Amino acid sequence: NAGVTQTPKFQVLKTGQSMTLQCAQDMNHNSMYWYRQDPGMGLRLIYYSASEGTTDKGEVPNGYNVSRLNKREFSLRLESAAPSQTSVYFCASSPVSRDTEAFFGQGTRLTVV
Amino acid sequence: AQSVTQLDSQVPVFEEAPVELRCNYSSSVSVYLFWYVQYPNQGLQLLLKYLSGSTLVKGINGFEAEFNKSQTSFHLRKPSVHISDTAEYFCAVSDRPVWMDSSYKLIFGSGTRLLVRP
Repeated sequence: NAGVTQTPKFQVLKTGQSMTLQCAQDMNHNSMYWYRQDPGMGLRLIYYSASEGTTDKGEVPNGYNVSRLNKREFSLRLESAAPSQTSVYFCASSPVSRDTEAFFGQGTRLTVV
Repeated sequence: AQSVTQLDSQVPVFEEAPVELRCNYSSSVSVYLFWYVQYPNQGLQLLLKYLSGSTLVKGINGFEAEFNKSQTSFHLRKPSVHISDTAEYFCAVSDRPVWMDSSYKLIFGSGTRLLVRP
């Protein structure tokens, strides 16, 4: 059972470079999320997608764009990376159900130099 | 808007001792509450959740949490910790009330690092 798969696991970017973080889930979940994790700040929501074809901003969307390509895939793009975007990024998915929790990927550790 | 406060950024404890990790939330409606654990260099794994019913919730690895509505708390406890419990623990609240069956977002606390010493 793959669950939520994120690629890449590690990435180093130079300031101003662009890149896309990929996320795919095989649990047929409707909702998908991108969080960033910084020391002492917990996880903060960047963008989320309640269902295929919809995306909405979270707490910290500036500098990011997302695409819900289909029900399985939800990508996060950094158009012009900045050192402040150095973080660990987590993708998660959840069904529309009051009984089931969100499932998380293993994370992508991004360093912007 | 919902928010979560984890007052303790780090909790050191000796092996086989009991531990309590504190979590307080603010919300104007009934919500879902969760505890997740993150082992070093890994993603988040659900420990337990409170949706409704009994206020004492049991989770994996011997952890339990008690929902206290009057104190808006959801503290995590374990009677005897192991070295393998060393990890970061996150309390989270959903942004939807329990009666609304729709997509929800998780609001996380800042995390508590549990350090278990031999």
